[in-house]
Amino acid sequence: ETGVTQTPRHLVMGMTNKKSLKCEQHLGHNAMYWYKQSAKKPLELMFVYSLEERVENNSVPSRFSPECPNSSHLFLHLHTLQPEDSALYLCASSQEFIAQANSYEQYFGPGTRLTVT
Amino acid sequence: GQQVMQIPQYQHVQEGEDFTTYCNSSTTLSNIQWYKQRPGGHPVFLIQLVKSGEVKKQKRLTFQFGEAKKNSSLHITATQTTDVGTYFCAGANNAGNMLTFGGGTRLMVKP
Repeated sequence: ETGVTQTPRHLVMGMTNKKSLKCEQHLGHNAMYWYKQSAKKPLELMFVYSLEERVENNSVPSRFSPECPNSSHLFLHLHTLQPEDSALYLCASSQEFIAQANSYEQYFGPGTRLTVT
Repeated sequence: GQQVMQIPQYQHVQEGEDFTTYCNSSTTLSNIQWYKQRPGGHPVFLIQLVKSGEVKKQKRLTFQFGEAKKNSSLHITATQTTDVGTYFCAGANNAGNMLTFGGGTRLMVKP
């Protein structure tokens, strides 16, 4: 087990629904990430939080809204999604965000398989 | 922006054959990481390479970082069915704080 948990593991939602994905890390890390993984694209970084502050937002549509209430928890709020948003959403954490020559390895959660109908 | 390309996209091998995946970055990297994702699973960290020309081994896996720190490779000797999965490289920018993942190479091993 990686120490990063995600709920729910599977989610089916209509385009008008509002739902939230939850991520929790039990590793004492200070940085957390949301990635989108689809069949056609590699791992796409969506958001990065360091010490509960958002440090990166890779031009993600506003229908995705992240929230990081503390360094152990990360949410992704979803509303009015499109069918092309169907994908595996992965949460990850790392010890720190900023590093020198070495980066910090990322620990991934099991992901939430999202289907938008 | 930084782009990381990985080839091949897919590779079928007979059990016992060798396998190599290659990773190329459009910019010089501060370091490179490799991850493995089993079917239905999530990416799991394998290794990080930092120094120019660095070579690291993990049992049957050999990782190399190019002299120019723009490319890397993962070589598996005598593949086994347990090696099945998608192997991703992830290149870190100069500050070492952002990872850009390659598209992955999906390895399938026939017993």
